[in-house]
Amino acid sequence: NAGVTQTPKFRILKIGQSMTLQCAQDMNHNYMYWYRQDPGMGLKLIYYSVGAGITDKGEVPNGYNVSRSTTEDFPLRLELAAPSQTSVYFCASSYGDRGYNSPLHFGNGTRLTVT
Amino acid sequence: AQKITQTQPGMFVQEKEAVTLDCTYDTSDQSYGLFWYKQPSSGEMIFLIYQGSYDEQNATEGRYSLNFQKARKSANLVISASQLGDSAMYFCAMLGSSNTGKLIFGQGTTLQVKP
Repeated sequence: NAGVTQTPKFRILKIGQSMTLQCAQDMNHNYMYWYRQDPGMGLKLIYYSVGAGITDKGEVPNGYNVSRSTTEDFPLRLELAAPSQTSVYFCASSYGDRGYNSPLHFGNGTRLTVT
Repeated sequence: AQKITQTQPGMFVQEKEAVTLDCTYDTSDQSYGLFWYKQPSSGEMIFLIYQGSYDEQNATEGRYSLNFQKARKSANLVISASQLGDSAMYFCAMLGSSNTGKLIFGQGTTLQVKP
């Protein structure tokens, strides 16, 4: 049981490049999330999904796109990377449909640097 | 709007002593859950403990306990018998019944355990 798997672990992008951060979970969770964590700060929600085919914006969605074609996968797309997107990105999943007592399970993060 | 406040950016504790990390929250939801996560220097997010708003007893998980004071809207984490491996960043977070499974994080507290 792998839990939440994120790839890659590290990436350096040049300004204006694009990339996709991959996230997969094998816990049959309906809810999936993307957070970013800037140095010394808490996590901010970028996008989330409550099931396949359904996505919604979080607190900081600008510059990102997501899709959820299957229950297991929730990729995050960065278009036209900017230095402000330098951050650590965490994918997470949960049994969100069971209510407010469902903890999120996190992947190990992707450290992205845009130069 | 929901908000989590952690007022201690950094804390020190002597090995084998107990330490309390503060967390206050604000929500208009009647039903909600409070969580604590640990983030060691390696970067992963580790779920520690959960407290539901209707739970009458404080949650405990091994050396971790949650001092839940609903009237004061506080959910402090108590770590007993601190160990060197407890040195990490600790985040308080909240899920409310109205926010579709979106976990809201505080800014975090960095704990250093001294030998």
